[in-house]
Amino acid sequence: AQSVTQLDSHVSVSEGTPVLLRCNYSSSYSPSLFWYVQHPNKGLQLLLKYTSAATLVKGINGFEAEFKKSETSFHLTKPSAHMSDAAEYFCVVSHTGGFKTIFGAGTRLFVKA
Amino acid sequence: EAGVAQSPRYKIIEKRQSVAFWCNPISGHATLYWYQQILGQGPKLLIQFQNNGVVDDSQLPKDRFSAERLKGVDSTLKIQPAKLEDSAVYLCASSFRGTNSPLHFGNGTRLTVT
Repeated sequence: AQSVTQLDSHVSVSEGTPVLLRCNYSSSYSPSLFWYVQHPNKGLQLLLKYTSAATLVKGINGFEAEFKKSETSFHLTKPSAHMSDAAEYFCVVSHTGGFKTIFGAGTRLFVKA
Repeated sequence: EAGVAQSPRYKIIEKRQSVAFWCNPISGHATLYWYQQILGQGPKLLIQFQNNGVVDDSQLPKDRFSAERLKGVDSTLKIQPAKLEDSAVYLCASSFRGTNSPLHFGNGTRLTVT
């Protein structure tokens, strides 16, 4: 069985400070993991993906995520938040060779000036 | 490349009416998904197609929802009759080959049922 848990429903940071959005997953098999971003009234956009290559994955707009198998985590980070980063972020797990794609409930990121 | 196209962008109907949404995936993408996103929640998979065939429709309310993908390209999602709780954004996505490929999403159809 697969599941994904985003540990924070809301995160608020000041512009220029680091961002940490937390995601834990459960998967019986080797997972593929993704982070997507959804800006207000916009479609979902892929930020980055992990598919069993390097454990540290770099994405667009300065975001990166580290796959930690021992902790079953895939947290999303960014060294310095920008106002344009304010959006909803979704952690997604899928099963290698399978067909299920599971979305987390989402974390809304607020960036204060 | 052209993105995933969806129409209409917005739809308002009364309960017990019917509605249909259309999706045109990215050319060459074999896998097509329909998601329902209720306000404040993550997208929930309704149905997944691999070419013409249905791979997963376990969360599709089959008494009122139906979907088809003709010739493995365009897809239509229908609701008949609609209920108030169907108010949501309906997202179509496609991927090159299954769930290990990134999903490419359309802008969605915002449905309001009154």
